[in-house]
Amino acid sequence: EVQLLESGGGLVQPGGSLRLSCAASGFTFSTYGMTWVRQAPGKGLEWVSLINGDAGSTYYADSVKGRFTVSRDNSKNTLYLQMNSLRAEDTAVYYCANGADFQHWGQGTLVAVSS
Amino acid sequence: QAGLTQPPSVSKALRQTATLTCTGNSNNVGNQGAAWLQQHQGHPPKLLSYRNNNRPSGISERLSASRSGNTASLTITGLQPEDEADYYCSAWDSSLSAWVFGGGTKLTVL
Repeated sequence: EVQLLESGGGLVQPGGSLRLSCAASGFTFSTYGMTWVRQAPGKGLEWVSLINGDAGSTYYADSVKGRFTVSRDNSKNTLYLQMNSLRAEDTAVYYCANGADFQHWGQGTLVAVSS
Repeated sequence: QAGLTQPPSVSKALRQTATLTCTGNSNNVGNQGAAWLQQHQGHPPKLLSYRNNNRPSGISERLSASRSGNTASLTITGLQPEDEADYYCSAWDSSLSAWVFGGGTKLTVL
């Protein structure tokens, strides 16, 4: 059974940093592209970032480019999202998903940016 | 990054058929098609259909996806109360090198 478990969310002040993790199990992690998607309270889904299986390619939404960095450790079956220079508009539930078409999703972790 | 266009809401009666639409352009929906996701309140999204219109294992045969040009569609037949949810489409945009989402359609089953 595929399981994705996000962690690392919390309350942070504007301008601060957080690192999210997504622990994966139940599939061959290194062969799957992994995606971060976020959802602001009461809003729709917003794609954040994609990393391919060997971490050779990364992609970002314009809204986070230059502030967020996606990475992965295939030896630990874990996906990361380093978030710097956080803004109020980054407040959202952050989900990780696997596969080319978001085949499986985690339960999400809440990031709240507020002073 | 411009998103895909979905109607904000659709209402249909129990046991009727609902067709949800998702309009993009030749760089996204028209290129590789759209994936469809369902989200119930308070839960993570769930994949209903791959971009190639195939259903993942375990997804009801009442759901079918298709595409015509730059518009993707999700048809749900025999609507049930559990079909009431938010539905999102998403596509890879080859010109942006980014995924784009639709704003979501809230399906109400009357």
